[in-house]
Amino acid sequence: EADIYQTPRYLVIGTGKKITLECSQTMGHDKMYWYQQDPGMELHLIHYSYGVNSTEKGDLSSESTVSRIRTEHFPLTLESARPSHTSQYLCASGLGGRGGYTFGSGTRLTVV
Amino acid sequence: AQKITQTQPGMFVQEKEAVTLDCTYDTSDPSYGLFWYKQPSSGEMIFLIYQGSYDQQNATEGRYSLNFQKARKSANLVISASQLGDSAMYFCAMRGPTSGTYKYIFGTGTRLKVLA
Repeated sequence: EADIYQTPRYLVIGTGKKITLECSQTMGHDKMYWYQQDPGMELHLIHYSYGVNSTEKGDLSSESTVSRIRTEHFPLTLESARPSHTSQYLCASGLGGRGGYTFGSGTRLTVV
Repeated sequence: AQKITQTQPGMFVQEKEAVTLDCTYDTSDPSYGLFWYKQPSSGEMIFLIYQGSYDQQNATEGRYSLNFQKARKSANLVISASQLGDSAMYFCAMRGPTSGTYKYIFGTGTRLKVLA
């Protein structure tokens, strides 16, 4: 009953390619987030959005960009992938308050 | 600055026993929220439990409880009657005005292994 969807689940891509990681949620949440996580390590916030046409960079510098044209959709784009971008990317959404955020299943990106 | 510290990189527990995962935090905000998430090997993050800084009672959710000691700035997760399916990474997180009310700060996580 996942209400937040990330595609693709796994991606292996060559250096220099442009990629877009998709994230969609059906819960009507205004707040959405992208986190980067190396295996077994902590999560780092790279982008967030508090609503349509609102995007901010997170605490970890990233060469990726995001857009929020529709409430339910928050894609992340890498214009030119590099091996240093190899990581897991987790998308999340929520309302804030006492509730936790809902995370997607993640995209495991490998750049070769 | 706000910070979450999880000092246990890895823990083992026997099936059916209880286990405590430690989390300490640092903040000067009077109002903040503390969260625990579970991350199985499949990678998704699962929300477990929430504790508000003004809550008078410790939070409980099924087999999960949060031992909240505000003066010590600790928010330890207690899992009772451990099950094999509890084997996962566990992350403590905080939200508060300093970090941006709606943004988490995560700890480095604790890997729990439940032994049969």
